[in-house]
Amino acid sequence: GNSVTQMEGPVTLSEEAFLTINCTYTATGYPSLFWYVQYPGEGLQLLLKATKADDKGSNKGFEATYRKETTSFHLEKGSVQVSDSAVYFCALRTNSGGSNYKLTFGKGTLLTVNP
Amino acid sequence: DTGVSQDPRHKITKRGQNVTFRCDPISEHNRLYWYRQTLGQGPEFLTYFQNEAQLEKSRLLSDRFSAERPKGSFSTLEIQRTEQGDSAMYLCASSFGQQETQYFGPGTRLLVL
Repeated sequence: GNSVTQMEGPVTLSEEAFLTINCTYTATGYPSLFWYVQYPGEGLQLLLKATKADDKGSNKGFEATYRKETTSFHLEKGSVQVSDSAVYFCALRTNSGGSNYKLTFGKGTLLTVNP
Repeated sequence: DTGVSQDPRHKITKRGQNVTFRCDPISEHNRLYWYRQTLGQGPEFLTYFQNEAQLEKSRLLSDRFSAERPKGSFSTLEIQRTEQGDSAMYLCASSFGQQETQYFGPGTRLLVL
């Protein structure tokens, strides 16, 4: 079945530090990959996505590249801010066959950025 | 676009009671999804509607759980005879197409005492 494994947290960084949150996946076929973010007290928001190999998703200074050869979709940001403190979820959705709509999520990584 | 809304945001109930949650999707979205998120875990898929038709139910959804979307607009999720293991955040999401981005509501946090 499909699964997503992401780096366990919590991750604590100082403002302006470089961020990497690792995500690897197992899936049949060629899934679409997503990063969702959950700010304190809010719902899940789509941060970025990539739908095919070598695609790079980017938003708000965050980037992630779909690496088929390593089945990975690591999230990076060059300089984090206090406002980036949140829980980050990696997710996939298969694009063929049955059930090609449900999202499969990782466990989430809590990021805390200190001033 | 007012986003996906869920009601209530919090629910505390005693074991054995029935609870019902409501989800209002983004108005033009014909796909609606329910997920459950327990502490320290990512959301897990529960069920999916295309318009008013319920097309899939996860095996996580026991017979005590029922979901409806009577007119293809809002949806309700009912849990009968609640158990302490039902304590979780229940998330609703909607999308316009099957392969389109799913937009999530703020969730309903359920605590069963």
